[in-house]
Amino acid sequence: GNSVTQMEGPVTLSEEAFLTINCTYTATGYPSLFWYVQYPGEGLQLLLKATKADDKGSNKGFEATYRKETTSFHLEKGSVQVSDSAVYFCALNNNAGNMLTFGGGTRLMVKP
Amino acid sequence: DADVTQTPRNRITKTGKRIMLECSQTKGHDRMYWYRQDPGLGLQLIYYSFDVKDINKGEISDGYSVSRQAQAKFSLSLESAIPNQTALYFCATSAHGSSYNEQFFGPGTRLTVL
Repeated sequence: GNSVTQMEGPVTLSEEAFLTINCTYTATGYPSLFWYVQYPGEGLQLLLKATKADDKGSNKGFEATYRKETTSFHLEKGSVQVSDSAVYFCALNNNAGNMLTFGGGTRLMVKP
Repeated sequence: DADVTQTPRNRITKTGKRIMLECSQTKGHDRMYWYRQDPGLGLQLIYYSFDVKDINKGEISDGYSVSRQAQAKFSLSLESAIPNQTALYFCATSAHGSSYNEQFFGPGTRLTVL
């Protein structure tokens, strides 16, 4: 079956630090990959996506590259801000079933 | 106005009570979903519906039921609530034909069962 594994949090960084949140997956076929973000008190929002191998998704300074050889989709940002404090979820859609499978989420806390 | 709304936003109830959580959307999407979020477990799919009168079980449907009264409304019921159903519940929608099934989430309902 499909599964997504994320690094456990919380991840605590100072403002302007470099961020990496690791995500690896197991899936049949050729899934699409996503990062969703959940700000405090809100629902999840799509942050970025990649639909095929070697695609790079990017948004709001965040990037993630679909690495089929390592089955990974790590989230990166060069300089985090306090406003980036949130929970980040990696997810996949195996396209055949059209369902999303989520990782456990990683809480990011950015201190001024 | 929010595209996906959930009511109530918070609810405290007692073991054995029947509870209904409501979800409404103005996005015109045909697909709707109910998820449960527990700390460290991500989101788990409870039920989903691809159209009115279409109901499908997700990963963790035991103890829950749903009703798709109209394209815009999808309700989740706990017939007899138990403490381990204490969680954050999210409704989501997506459009048929979306190439990667982007889902749009409501703000969530925090349910506590005492």
